Amino acid sequence: NAGVTQTPKFQVLKTGQSMTLQCAQDMNHEYMSWYRQDPGMGLRLIHYSVGAGITDQGEVPNGYNVSRSTTEDFPLRLLSAAPSQTSVYFCASSRRGGYNSPLHFGNGTRLTVT
Amino acid sequence: GENVEQHPSTLSVQEGDSAVIKCTYSDSASNYFPWYKQELGKRPQLIIDIRSNVGEKKDQRIAVTLNKTAKHFSLHITETQPEDSAVYFCAATSNTGKLIFGQGTTLQVKP
Repeated sequence: NAGVTQTPKFQVLKTGQSMTLQCAQDMNHEYMSWYRQDPGMGLRLIHYSVGAGITDQGEVPNGYNVSRSTTEDFPLRLLSAAPSQTSVYFCASSRRGGYNSPLHFGNGTRLTVT
Repeated sequence: GENVEQHPSTLSVQEGDSAVIKCTYSDSASNYFPWYKQELGKRPQLIIDIRSNVGEKKDQRIAVTLNKTAKHFSLHITETQPEDSAVYFCAATSNTGKLIFGQGTTLQVKP
């Protein structure tokens, strides 16, 4: 049981490039979400999903897209990277009915945009 | 929209003292309030949570209190130890699925 797996662990992009951060969970959790963590700003919600085929915006969705075609996977796409997107990104999941139950976080992806 | 404010941003205590971190939330529909601990370079992990039908919950040296009328909740750590040093985050959510975090409190426990 691997829990929540994020890839890659580190990534450097040039401004304007696009990429996808991968997130997979093997706990059959209905709820999945993406957060970014910046110094002094805590964890800010980018997008979340309460089940396959359903996604919604969080606090800071601009510049990011998500999709949820399966229960297991919730990729985060950066359409055109900007230096302001330099951050540590965490994917998290929780069980069915899950926004009121503990989040399981991945190990994070550290993204630098130059 | 939903907002969670957390104070203080940094807290330094002597080993054995108590530490208190406070959060306020804006959405009166919020009904679940977890606290996460993040050690340096690691992922956040849940340490305690409370639901809106409960006023207080305790787990060994950690307790959380909730005041729904005032829309604030607090984390209390007693008999602090050096391994309690970390960043602590409060969060709040309603049934919308949006779990919103506070800005975090860096706790330093000095031996």
